Amino acid sequence: GAVVSQHPSRVICKSGTSVKIECRSLDFQATTMFWYRQFPKQSLMLMATSNEGSKATYEQGVEKDKFLINHASLTLSTLTVTSAHPEDSSFYICSAMGLAGVGEQFFGPGTRLTVL
Amino acid sequence: GDSVTQMEGPVTLSEEAFLTINCTYTATGYPSLFWYVQYPGEGLQLLLKATKADDKGSNKGFEATYRKETTSFHLEKGSVQVSDSAVYFCALESSGNTPLVFGKGTRLSVIA
Repeated sequence: GAVVSQHPSRVICKSGTSVKIECRSLDFQATTMFWYRQFPKQSLMLMATSNEGSKATYEQGVEKDKFLINHASLTLSTLTVTSAHPEDSSFYICSAMGLAGVGEQFFGPGTRLTVL
Repeated sequence: GDSVTQMEGPVTLSEEAFLTINCTYTATGYPSLFWYVQYPGEGLQLLLKATKADDKGSNKGFEATYRKETTSFHLEKGSVQVSDSAVYFCALESSGNTPLVFGKGTRLSVIA
C-alpha cells in the first residue's frame, strides 16, 4: 500500500517554542491530507483538512493561529504548533488521500509531542 | 452529525479465543465503514472495509459485515493470536474525500 511518513516521530520542547511536524506521501500524490490529534486512550479527533494549494479547513474549536497548516505540494503538508504549551502535548497523526479511491486514507505513524 | 460507537475496552482474551468487537454508527446517507488497527508504537493501518450494505470486509482472519438494518459493523475473528494485541478503531466516511469519523477505539490484549 501507499506510504505516509511523519517527521519527527517524537519531539520534546520547552513551553513557548514552536514545533513543526511534516507529513509526506512517499509514493503517491495527495490532494487532501488530514491532521488528527489523539489523546491517551481516546479516539482520533480531526483537527483540520488540508488541500494542496489552498487554506486549510479547521474543525470547530481548533485555533488556526496556533496550529498552522501548510500544504505546499502534493506530497507534503506541515503542521506547526506555535507557542506550544503543556496542554498541547499529544499524539499528532496525519493521513493522506490520493487522487482517486473512496476512503483510501493512508496514515502516518504519528508524532508524539511533549511540551515541558 | 455522524458518529461511531464501539464497545469499551480493554478486552482480554486467551489465545485461540473468539473475538467480537461491536461497532454501531449513526450517519445520513450511505457511509463507507472501516476497521483500523493500531499496533503498539505504530500508526493506524486499514484492516478491512465495506462500502455498501451487506458487504463483508475481511483480512488476516478478521471480518465484518455492513448491516444497514442494525447500523452495525461488528468485527470478528474466530481464533485470536498474541500478535493481534492492538487497539482497534471502527470508522465511517460519509462520502468520498471527507475525513473519517472514528470510534473511541477498543484495546485488545491476547495472552498466551
